[in-house]
Amino acid sequence: DVVLTQTPVSLSVTLGDQASISCRSSQSLEYSDGYTYLEWYLQKPGQSPQLLIYGVSNRFSGVPDRFIGSGSGTDFTLKISRVEPEDLGVYYCFQATHDPPFTFGSGTKLEIK
Amino acid sequence: QVQLKESGPGLVQPSQTLSLTCTVSGFSLTSNSVHWVRQPPGKGLEWMGGIWGDGSTDYNSALKSRLSISRDTSKSQVFLKMNSLQTDDTAIYFCTRGWALDYWGQGVMVTVSS
Repeated sequence: DVVLTQTPVSLSVTLGDQASISCRSSQSLEYSDGYTYLEWYLQKPGQSPQLLIYGVSNRFSGVPDRFIGSGSGTDFTLKISRVEPEDLGVYYCFQATHDPPFTFGSGTKLEIK
Repeated sequence: QVQLKESGPGLVQPSQTLSLTCTVSGFSLTSNSVHWVRQPPGKGLEWMGGIWGDGSTDYNSALKSRLSISRDTSKSQVFLKMNSLQTDDTAIYFCTRGWALDYWGQGVMVTVSS
């Protein structure tokens, strides 16, 4: 199974500052069709996860441009510029490239200082 | 608009079978996959399995022997059945759409306890 390692486990950020989360895969996530099925989600307290980024760097509908996904192969990053109060929660990366099981990272908890 | 809603029993006894329903609206099950994801209390997310637009299924190998996912396209419903439940199956169970998991239901809390 593909293992996604997220770092850090938690981070505390001042409002208005930038946050960066890493997701490293045990195998390349580039599929044979050239697409990379790597997504990012935010789970706010008491809510269902919500899609932020799909295909490494594409923002889902309604997601602010403060959220930027990047990376390739096995190394991926989610950057949140100008952190706002509503950004707190747990961030997960997810891969659907390799044969099931599809897998999630273990999560990164973002707290506001 | 796209909506998914899970339903099912909140309490299941150990060794029994869990049956959940995901009722969808705003999209077609023959054109979209639906997946089940669960989350034990205070823990992370686990992809359980999914049913694709063509009706084929994929399962997490860790659950494959106990899990079955099916659908009724005429009712816009997807079903999850998992047998031999144990206490560590206690979790919130979500259904979600597509390979990108773009829309999620609110989740249903299932407690396995006698």
